[in-house]
Amino acid sequence: GDSVTQMEGPVTLSEEAFLTINCTYTATGYPSLFWYVQYPGEGLQLLLKATKADDKGSNKGFEATYRKETTSFHLEKGSVQVSDSAVYFCALSHYSGNTPLVFGKGTRLSVIA
Amino acid sequence: EAQVTQNPRYLITVTGKKLTVTCSQNMNHEYMSWYRQDPGLGLRQIYYSMNVEVTDKGDVPEGYKVSRKEKRNFPLILESPSPNQTSLYFCASSPRTGGSSDGYTFGSGTRLTVV
Repeated sequence: GDSVTQMEGPVTLSEEAFLTINCTYTATGYPSLFWYVQYPGEGLQLLLKATKADDKGSNKGFEATYRKETTSFHLEKGSVQVSDSAVYFCALSHYSGNTPLVFGKGTRLSVIA
Repeated sequence: EAQVTQNPRYLITVTGKKLTVTCSQNMNHEYMSWYRQDPGLGLRQIYYSMNVEVTDKGDVPEGYKVSRKEKRNFPLILESPSPNQTSLYFCASSPRTGGSSDGYTFGSGTRLTVV
């Protein structure tokens, strides 16, 4: 079945550091790929998405590129802020059928001033 | 405002006492789903619904029931809660089946403790 693997956390960075959170997936066909963010005490929010190979999703300074050849969708940000401290989830979904959104286990990011 | 509303946000209950967690969305979404979030296990799907009167099991359905009598509502029912159902629960909805390229909209979560 489909699966998503994320790097284990927690990740602790200083403000303005470069962020990479690795995500790889296993799936048949051409799924859509997502990054969700969960701020403390809140639900998950869609951060960015990509629906086909070589697409780049971006939002709030975060970027991720759909790499079919390496089955990856790594999340990057050039300069993190304290307000980016959250748990980040990589996920995939297929266009058709009743397959649910499949999540990775999440990576906790802490940014210190 | 487009949203998924869950209630209650926090609940402490005793083993065996039936409870219902409500979920309502105002976006006319077809697809709704319940997840539980546990440390080290991430999010696991409990049940989902592709439309009114259509529900199906997810990965961890044991001990839970759902119903979808109206498009906007998707309550989660624990007939006889047990301590291993202590968790953080999220309801989510999507415009169409399976989420496709639109992603999901999540509720704010319900933290349930069963003692």
